Amino acid sequence: QVQLVQSGAEVKMPGASVRVSCKASGYTFTDYYIHWVRQAPGQGLEWMGRINPNIGGTNYAQSFQGRVTMTNDTSISTAYMELSRLKSDDTAVYYCARGAPSVYARVASPDYWGQGTLVTVSS
Amino acid sequence: EIVLTQSPATLSFSPGERATLSCRASQSISNFLAWYQHKPGQAPWLLIYDASNRATGVPARFSGSGSGTDFTLTISSLEPEDFAVYYCQHRSNWPPSITFGQGTRLEMK
Repeated sequence: QVQLVQSGAEVKMPGASVRVSCKASGYTFTDYYIHWVRQAPGQGLEWMGRINPNIGGTNYAQSFQGRVTMTNDTSISTAYMELSRLKSDDTAVYYCARGAPSVYARVASPDYWGQGTLVTVSS
Repeated sequence: EIVLTQSPATLSFSPGERATLSCRASQSISNFLAWYQHKPGQAPWLLIYDASNRATGVPARFSGSGSGTDFTLTISSLEPEDFAVYYCQHRSNWPPSITFGQGTRLEMK
């Protein structure tokens, strides 16, 4: 069965960077986009961007441009999301989720999601 | 930029009742709309994609309708496990992006 397993909770100082990992299993990792979505406490869902694991191509939400970097390691079926210059309002649960088949440029509503990773930014 | 408006923010129903949730787009988005259920401590669950298609494993009591700017998620007979937050979500192919509504909390009366 399709599974996305994310790395554990992180606590970071303001100004630092955080990297969250997302290990895929149950399907061919390079066959589908991986999206990243976050939810701040008491807030709704916010899309951050997506990566095509087959070619490494990325699309980022404008609000995260310049601060987010999405990468992947196909040898271990793992996607990564790194967010830099952290601020207190980056405190959130970060989710990875599977998107459209990577042979297409189109966007699909993500179907399988990881369990979420809590990132806390605090001094 | 497309804005999705979900109203009201909270709805109260009893189990067994029919619930209708609304999502309005700031401009026409064809049928590029999905619905998710989200419970605390869990990952969001895709219910409906492309406005009216049930995702794999979703019970038949969930249905979606609409096109253009107005969309509806209907739960025909509420089960206790259906009380959660529901998000509508728009997918755009160009530029590639995803936008969520602010959510509607479905609470038990």
